[in-house]
Amino acid sequence: QSALTQPASVSGSPGQSITITCTGASSDVGGYDFVSWYQLHPGKAPKLILYDVTNRPSGVSARFSGSKSGNTASLTISGLQAEDEADYHCSSYTYNSIPVFGGGTRVTVL
Amino acid sequence: QVTLRESGPALMKPTQTLTLTCAFSGFSLATREMCVGWVRQPPGKALEWLALIDWDDDKFYNKSLRTRLTISRDISKNQVVLTVTDVDPADTATYYCVRSLRGYGGDRYAFDVWGRGTLVTVSS
Repeated sequence: QSALTQPASVSGSPGQSITITCTGASSDVGGYDFVSWYQLHPGKAPKLILYDVTNRPSGVSARFSGSKSGNTASLTISGLQAEDEADYHCSSYTYNSIPVFGGGTRVTVL
Repeated sequence: QVTLRESGPALMKPTQTLTLTCAFSGFSLATREMCVGWVRQPPGKALEWLALIDWDDDKFYNKSLRTRLTISRDISKNQVVLTVTDVDPADTATYYCVRSLRGYGGDRYAFDVWGRGTLVTVSS
């Protein structure tokens, strides 16, 4: 199973909104509403920020939102803050009954 | 508070067997719908799911690595152990212990709690 496709990097100024895409296929992203997004800060435990495409776990800021269209899922960060600078990885359930991850996107706050 | 902590060797030689331990607290793997597993990330590459064990002692493996992986649990110690046989430099990665959001369906593979990870380097 190939990794999902994410842009290598996305940047934005504080206060702006950015969107990270996660492109797969009908056998994963397009076929199931089990897309998750994770935030990775160096040296810290990764954090689940969205699951089931649009759901936020308790404690995750409402500035993080998700959507899906066809084989592409998206993570939008609104009101970008310095603390949002991190790597973001998407994941999807697949027809093989296993998860597949994206290559990760580095978010830079200018 | 739910926490997961990985431990294992930092350096391995090719062909050796890697044993990783996840010590967790704040929940019991004997509780219905609880699952604990492993995800790894080679340097500069994508995350890769490896294996999962659930409350009923059912085990789930990444098919591409199935012959080399074994996951087990010790309920009394609140630990999950992953062994990887015949390691190769391609197994160099940060290995994370993870807990599943739910115990069934696609959400079995959404991970709501992660450890900080442990870096394992395989080199001769």
